[in-house]
Amino acid sequence: DSGVTQTPKHLITATGQRVTLRCSPRSGDLSVYWYQQSLDQGLQFLIQYYNGEERAKGNILERFSAQQFPDLHSELNLSSLELGDSALYFCASSVEGLAGAPDTQYFGPGTRLTVL
Amino acid sequence: AQTVTQSQPEMSVQEAETVTLSCTYDTSESDYYLFWYKQPPSRQMILVIRQEAYKQQNATENRFSVNFQKAAKSFSLKISDSQLGDAAMYFCAYRSFYNTDKLIFGTGTRLQVFP
Repeated sequence: DSGVTQTPKHLITATGQRVTLRCSPRSGDLSVYWYQQSLDQGLQFLIQYYNGEERAKGNILERFSAQQFPDLHSELNLSSLELGDSALYFCASSVEGLAGAPDTQYFGPGTRLTVL
Repeated sequence: AQTVTQSQPEMSVQEAETVTLSCTYDTSESDYYLFWYKQPPSRQMILVIRQEAYKQQNATENRFSVNFQKAAKSFSLKISDSQLGDAAMYFCAYRSFYNTDKLIFGTGTRLQVFP
C-alpha cells in the first residue's frame, strides 16, 4: 500500500458525460501528479499540483482540468468524454516535487474509466 | 526532450533464476533520477528501485539490483532468485533533477515467471 488513495476504482459512463476522479496523497506529501495510461499512448503525464497551485502541465486536453484543495486532496475533472478517453488514470504524490528535491513519486491504485 | 526506451516487450524466466531487463534513455542533462516501477495484474504501480545519476554505486533492494552505466545511458534491472510474484509489467522511468514535474516512462517489459 503506497498510502495514496484514489476513488472510485472503476467508472463506466457514456460519451459526452463529465466525471470527477479523486485522489488523496500520502500524509505529508505536497505534490500531486496525474497520469493517464492507455493502450496506445502508454503512461503519460497530465498535470502536477504543488500545495494547491498548478505547477506543470503535460499532455492534458482542454476538456480535462484538475485542482488541489487546501487539505491537499486533488480532483481530476474530465468532460465531454469521448471513447478515446477510456484509460487507467493514476494519481501519484511526492513530498515536494521541486527542482533538486530527491523525491520519489508514489502511485495510487488508479481509476479505470470506461467510456461507452 | 528526454526519452526512455525499453526494447524488450516480453521476457520470461524460470523460477529461482536470474533475469535482466534493459532500459536506455536519452538526455542532455547531467543530473537526473532513474526508476523501475512494477505493475502487476492488479495494475497498481509499485516502486521497485531508484538510482540517482550522481551516485556511481548501483542501487540494490533485496533481490533487485540495477546496472547503471551513465556514459552509455543504460539502466538495466536484474532480478535474482525470481519468484512467481515477480510476474508483472516493468517500467523504466526518468525524472529530471531540474524539472520535477513528471516521470517519463518507457513502454514497459512484460515479465513472465515459469515454475
